[in-house]
Amino acid sequence: GAGVSQTPSNKVTEKGKYVELRCDPISGHTALYWYRQSLGQGPEFLIYFQGTGAADDSGLPNDRFFAVRPEGSVSTLKIQRTERGDSAVYLCASSLEQLNTEAFFGQGTRLTVV
Amino acid sequence: GEDVEQSLFLSVREGDSSVINCTYTDSSSTYLYWYKQEPGAGLQLLTYIFSNMDMKQDQRLTVLLNKKDKHLSLRIADTQTGDSAIYFCAEKNTGTASKLTFGTGTRLQVTL
Repeated sequence: GAGVSQTPSNKVTEKGKYVELRCDPISGHTALYWYRQSLGQGPEFLIYFQGTGAADDSGLPNDRFFAVRPEGSVSTLKIQRTERGDSAVYLCASSLEQLNTEAFFGQGTRLTVV
Repeated sequence: GEDVEQSLFLSVREGDSSVINCTYTDSSSTYLYWYKQEPGAGLQLLTYIFSNMDMKQDQRLTVLLNKKDKHLSLRIADTQTGDSAIYFCAEKNTGTASKLTFGTGTRLQVTL
């Protein structure tokens, strides 16, 4: 597609469950970012991929959060043992390269942990 | 570390100009961005400026940068109802970090 695609658009899960959120970046974009946006806040950085490798994962809040990008395209954000505090909109963005000034964002996945 | 601050709310009449303000922490080389977020939608990049510039204009949008005060503003001329949204200022340090640091957003309400 033309833009960054995230699936699902909405996810409701029970506390303690495992979830996976998917991001399809724009074709040819080597840089991929995950952000988390809580209600009433700006997006907060989670992790950045350059190709297949996680170049910066300093924003991941704890070891329950993990992300992969095995073929340098699609990325999956994985959250284990979900907690109610994980409820947020998870945004994915991609750009042509790290220093490229323009990152394109997907519409996000709204995660609700009940 | 990096920090970006914005006022939370702005209300303007249709046809007037809107000015949204942002303050940021300094970096030797930084890009500064303005994003727009409409309800239920992703972030749309409106414009950006490099920290060695003072001003950038793009149609109805004017970005002003005061490096001394670390103050950034976005002016929207002839504000329309379709401009109602949340506007985020964001900072990126090209030296080491790849991430964007966002402010909390300014909700712009355009009234008739």
